[in-house]
Amino acid sequence: DAKTTQPPSMDCAEGRAANLPCNHSTISGNEYVYWYRQIHSQGPQYIIHGLKNNETNEMASLIITEDRKSSTLILPHATLRDTAVYYCIALETSGSRLTFGEGTQLTVNP
Amino acid sequence: NAGVMQNPRHLVRRRGQEARLRCSPMKGHSHVYWYRQLPEEGLKFMVYLQKENIIDESGMPKERFSAEFPKEGPSILRIQQVVRGDSAAYFCASSPRDSYGYTFGSGTRLTVV
Repeated sequence: DAKTTQPPSMDCAEGRAANLPCNHSTISGNEYVYWYRQIHSQGPQYIIHGLKNNETNEMASLIITEDRKSSTLILPHATLRDTAVYYCIALETSGSRLTFGEGTQLTVNP
Repeated sequence: NAGVMQNPRHLVRRRGQEARLRCSPMKGHSHVYWYRQLPEEGLKFMVYLQKENIIDESGMPKERFSAEFPKEGPSILRIQQVVRGDSAAYFCASSPRDSYGYTFGSGTRLTVV
């Protein structure tokens, strides 16, 4: 699986959009970009995933660049409950398992 | 539709005892993954199982650790002769098929005293 690179930490004001970047320059054509988060000591929570096109669900939006070398997770209106470690993972659809890196510690401030 | 159920939530064992951690996957999920998170560290893959088969155990310590996912019943992660370094949160995830749609449980916090 392709290696991903994320900033170690970010801050965001409550109510503002949180934009979390991820670089995956070695991603292959059949690897999806997955985002998970882990709120303090809880089990990781799936957020969203995508292959080429931008994706949106009730939690977030995922913007993938045309060359697929990077992506951005967008939380449109961050709340204090969104404070968590966010993981960007490149994953093939078969024969692989989730490998967590260091992730980005997002802190949403009041 | 219950999620991935792990029990117990908290487990305290004395050094040298055995720890058994259970994971019931989501209904319809036949793939189970175990992860360990040491204090202040990231999530590390341990083992991937399907019913009655170990598919990938590349992350399992060579000794004292074993895992099974029988035809009936939950997946079990077993740690024999626990040591203080085994104190960690152990998370289980399940998916309906290989590498697709992982759902994680709330974890078991093992404390070895």
